[in-house]
Amino acid sequence: KAGVTQTPRYLIKTRGQQVTLSCSPISGHRSVSWYQQTPGQGLQFLFEYFSETQRNKGNFPGRFSGRQFSNSRSEMNVSTLELGDSALYLCASSLQRGSYNEQFFGPGTRLTVL
Amino acid sequence: KQEVTQIPAALSVPEGENLVLNCSFTDSAIYNLQWFRQDPGKGLTSLLLIQSSQREQTSGRLNASLDKSSGRSTLYIAASQPGDSATYLCAVGGANSKLTFGKGITLSVRP
Repeated sequence: KAGVTQTPRYLIKTRGQQVTLSCSPISGHRSVSWYQQTPGQGLQFLFEYFSETQRNKGNFPGRFSGRQFSNSRSEMNVSTLELGDSALYLCASSLQRGSYNEQFFGPGTRLTVL
Repeated sequence: KQEVTQIPAALSVPEGENLVLNCSFTDSAIYNLQWFRQDPGKGLTSLLLIQSSQREQTSGRLNASLDKSSGRSTLYIAASQPGDSATYLCAVGGANSKLTFGKGITLSVRP
């Protein structure tokens, strides 16, 4: 069974631009969560999607948004990029909602903002 | 607000040593606790998941325990090998699938 895939793996953007990251969950998984990882803050929860609906959101500005499609694939968008948005963006999938389920992470997208 | 702490931030041990990695959390109302491994520049690999009703889980040379009442979990690695060198992250599962992570322990196993 294929794992969680994320595209692209690396991205370089300049301040003010916008970016879209993609995540394909493990087949059959319906929940997708997004996390930001930086050296200073560690891993921080961005949001979770289940059945095409955002179910939970972390403490990030409105520039960070996402969506989920009917096939459970998810995209995350960051508008008006800032230098501080440089990070590893990880997505995780699980079978169902709720924290009884093991979460599986993808390899991440490394975003660099110049 | 849940806070997860992993101390120390880094650990260096000789090959073959048995070791314990600690994780503490402030809110005992958790759904589960998951241990992950992260290699430099890579994503997270799930090692063990302990549900809130369980006390421990084992996989090969790894054993994780959970004590909800004291807000602690430990990851025991038996007979460590250089290939075990990585950052180990503890994550507490709360409501709505959200995981709260510790900052991780970077382990170096010397040959």
